[in-house]
Amino acid sequence: DAGITQSPRYKITETGRQVTLMCHQTWSHSYMFWYRQDLGHGLRLIYYSAAADITDKGEVPDGYVVSRSKTENFPLTLESATRSQTSVYFCASSEPRGQETQYFGPGTRLLVL
Amino acid sequence: GQSLEQPSEVTAVEGAIVQINCTYQTSGFYGLSWYQQHDGGAPTFLSYNALDGLEETGRFSSFLSRSDSYGYLLLQELQMKDSASYFCAVNQAGTALIFGKGTTLSVSS
Repeated sequence: DAGITQSPRYKITETGRQVTLMCHQTWSHSYMFWYRQDLGHGLRLIYYSAAADITDKGEVPDGYVVSRSKTENFPLTLESATRSQTSVYFCASSEPRGQETQYFGPGTRLLVL
Repeated sequence: GQSLEQPSEVTAVEGAIVQINCTYQTSGFYGLSWYQQHDGGAPTFLSYNALDGLEETGRFSSFLSRSDSYGYLLLQELQMKDSASYFCAVNQAGTALIFGKGTTLSVSS
C-alpha cells in the first residue's frame, strides 16, 4: 500500500532494553523525520534525514539513534530505554522542496516500564 | 532561541468562526504551516504561508504577517468534526519544522 507506515503501533518495554521503531514510506520522499509527542510539549523533532546516509539531530536527540541505508526506511532506535522516553512517536516524510508539507505515519505508542 | 506561542485551548459552537493565533521567534524563517490532529490520530497538513497575506482553502484560511512574526488560522462555519488540536509550525531553515505546542479546539452544538 502506498503511504507511510510505522511498526509496531504499540510497544511495552522495560527500562534498559533496546527498542527499534520502524518507519517505511513508498513515495520516495527524500526527507524523513522522527518526532515525539508528549502532553504539554506538542511535537518535538528527534532526528531527520535529507537522503539515504544523511541524518541530522533535531531538538531532542539524546538517547536515540537513527540510520537511513535506504530511502524508504528510517528506523529509530532507543539504545537503552528510559521511562522518560514513554511517548507517542511519529514518523513523517516530505519532498525536498516541500518541507512545510509533511506526511505523518499513524504513530507508535511506546510505554517504558 | 526559537519559540512559537499559541493558545492552549479554544472553545466555540457549531456554525461559529474561530481564530487561532500563533506568534513566533526564530533565527530563520521560510514560512508558517498549520496542521490538524484529531484525538489518537496523526497530524495532517492544512495550509502554508510563505508570504504575507491570506490563503484560503474552503472553510479554512491562514494569514501571515512576517513583519509582526504573527499568523493565524481562521476556521469558518465550524462543525463538530473540527474538534481537534491545531499546530502552527515554522519552516526555519528550509529543512525541518519546529512545531508549537498546539491549540485544542472544542466545538459544541
